[in-house]
Amino acid sequence: KAGVTQTPRYLIKTRGQQVTLSCSPISGHRSVSWYQQTPGQGLQFLFEYFSETQRNKGNFPGRFSGRQFSNSRSEMNVSTLELGDSALYLCASSLAGRGVRGYTFGSGTRLTVV
Amino acid sequence: KQEVTQIPAALSVPEGENLVLNCSFTDSAIYNLQWFRQDPGKGLTSLLLIQSSQREQTSGRLNASLDKSSGRSTLYIAASQPGDSATYLCAVIYNQGGKLIFGQGTELSVKP
Repeated sequence: KAGVTQTPRYLIKTRGQQVTLSCSPISGHRSVSWYQQTPGQGLQFLFEYFSETQRNKGNFPGRFSGRQFSNSRSEMNVSTLELGDSALYLCASSLAGRGVRGYTFGSGTRLTVV
Repeated sequence: KQEVTQIPAALSVPEGENLVLNCSFTDSAIYNLQWFRQDPGKGLTSLLLIQSSQREQTSGRLNASLDKSSGRSTLYIAASQPGDSATYLCAVIYNQGGKLIFGQGTELSVKP
């Protein structure tokens, strides 16, 4: 059974650019959540999607957005990149949201903004 | 404010020791609690999930307990091994939300 797949694994972008990250959940899982991990702030919740609808959103600026497709795959977009956006971005997959049977994480995308 | 705190922040032990990692949360209205392990630069690996109605869960050398009334969970690791070296994260899901709230983690180092 395939796990949660995040692509790409590494990205280097310049300030002001935009970036799109992808996450494919475990087959059959309908909930996808995104988290940002930095040394200073730890793991912070970005947003959660369930059946193509955003159900929860964390306290991040509007430059951070996402979407979910009918096959449950999700993308996260960050526009007008800032140096502070450098982080490990993690995607989590859940069967039905609220972590009914827990969350499974992908390996993450390491974003570096220069 | 719903917060999760983990103590200690770092721990170094010799191989073979039994150890306890602590997690506390401010709001007892949790839906479930999940312990994760993270190796440097990697994603999170789920260790144990405890539903709010449960008191503990066990997997191999790991045992996690949950006391909602006191707002605490502990992760017990028996007979520690160098391969257990990693950061251990506690995360809580509250009834009214669908997001994980993480502690800052305990960085564990097991010396051979």
